[in-house]
Amino acid sequence: QSALTQPASVSGSPGQSITISCTGTSSDVGSYNLVSWYQQHPGKAPKLMIYEVSKRPSGVSNRFSGSKSGNTASLTISGLQAEDEADYYCCSYAGPYVVFGGGTKLTVL
Amino acid sequence: QVQLQESGPGLVKPSETLSLTCTVSGGSVSSGSYYWSWIRQPPGKGLEWIGYIYYSGSTNYNPSLKSRVTISVDTSKNQFSLKLSSVTAADTAVYYCARVSYSGYNIDYWGQGTLVTVSS
Repeated sequence: QSALTQPASVSGSPGQSITISCTGTSSDVGSYNLVSWYQQHPGKAPKLMIYEVSKRPSGVSNRFSGSKSGNTASLTISGLQAEDEADYYCCSYAGPYVVFGGGTKLTVL
Repeated sequence: QVQLQESGPGLVKPSETLSLTCTVSGGSVSSGSYYWSWIRQPPGKGLEWIGYIYYSGSTNYNPSLKSRVTISVDTSKNQFSLKLSSVTAADTAVYYCARVSYSGYNIDYWGQGTLVTVSS
């Protein structure tokens, strides 16, 4: 059971769109539509942003969207805002375990 | 509104057992719709899943920690607990308790986290 692979950092200017990838294997991301994404600001607990690949919890902006192709899931944030600057983690079910990605630091320039 | 609150010692000596409890309010650990989980985050690093428990007592643990971890549930107190034995400095982390959807394995509620330092 290895961690999912995410880029260490991404950046974008306000108003732009960015995409964070999350690469797993056929034992986790590739086998289940059970990928979730979490946003974490410094010193805070993570917050659920996307679940089951592309579903948004109530209260999460529609600027956040998720998708999956094969063993890679992606989180896209459109119309970047300053408050989006945070760490983002993907997570996948890996029957019967759960595995996280290493995290991606998003910088809003 | 569901709330989770971790409690336990903030300092543990090497080779001893780390023990934490999570108290759930606004929801029930007896609900069949959720697992109850522990997740940790070493300072400056990423999230690591430790394991989860169902109200029935069935558990699943991270294979890398399985030999040292025990998660239990107390439905009468609406709490669940973590024990991690034979700790070393590498176990220093913020420990979060969390609620996990039974069907989707997404974590919809988190505790605020508690820092546990392993040091003599």
